[in-house]
Amino acid sequence: GDSVTQMEGPVTLSEEAFLTINCTYTATGYPSLFWYVQYPGEGLQLLLKATKADDKGSNKGFEATYRKETTSFHLEKGSVQVSDSAVYFCALSDAGGKLIFGQGTELSVKP
Amino acid sequence: NAGVMQNPRHLVRRRGQEARLRCSPMKGHSHVYWYRQLPEEGLKFMVYLQKENIIDESGMPKERFSAEFPKEGPSILRIQQVVRGDSAAYFCASSPRSQNTGELFFGEGSRLTVL
Repeated sequence: GDSVTQMEGPVTLSEEAFLTINCTYTATGYPSLFWYVQYPGEGLQLLLKATKADDKGSNKGFEATYRKETTSFHLEKGSVQVSDSAVYFCALSDAGGKLIFGQGTELSVKP
Repeated sequence: NAGVMQNPRHLVRRRGQEARLRCSPMKGHSHVYWYRQLPEEGLKFMVYLQKENIIDESGMPKERFSAEFPKEGPSILRIQQVVRGDSAAYFCASSPRSQNTGELFFGEGSRLTVL
């Protein structure tokens, strides 16, 4: 079945460091891909998405490119802030329309 | 425009009791999804419902768990005879229609603790 694999956390960075969180997927067909973010004690919020190969999703300085050849959707940000500390989930939409999530990667940014 | 509303936010139950979690989707949304987040784990799909219909319950445990989304009122996730392993955060999400783009809008979750 469809699945998503993310790099394990926690990831600890200093403020203004470069961030990469790896995400790869297995799917039949051509799913849409998503990054969601979960701040402490809250629900998930959509961060960015890409619906077809080579699309780049971007929001709040984060970006990710849909790479069909490597089945990847890595999340990047050039300069992280303390306020970016959260858990990040990579996800794909399967043929039935539901989201399948990776296990989440906790990011902690220190001042 | 109110978002997805879940209640209660926190629920404590003793083993063997019943837990009922409610979810009101965003206005205009007729599709509801329930996910469970166990401690230190990601979100696992449980069930997908439209008004008065269960579309996909492939993630629901075979026993003790049920879900409904009546014509009027919120969606309900019901857990009978709770056990300690049911302690988790339960998230509801909604969408305006079945869509392959898959964007869902999540509530803040209901955190169930079983003593």
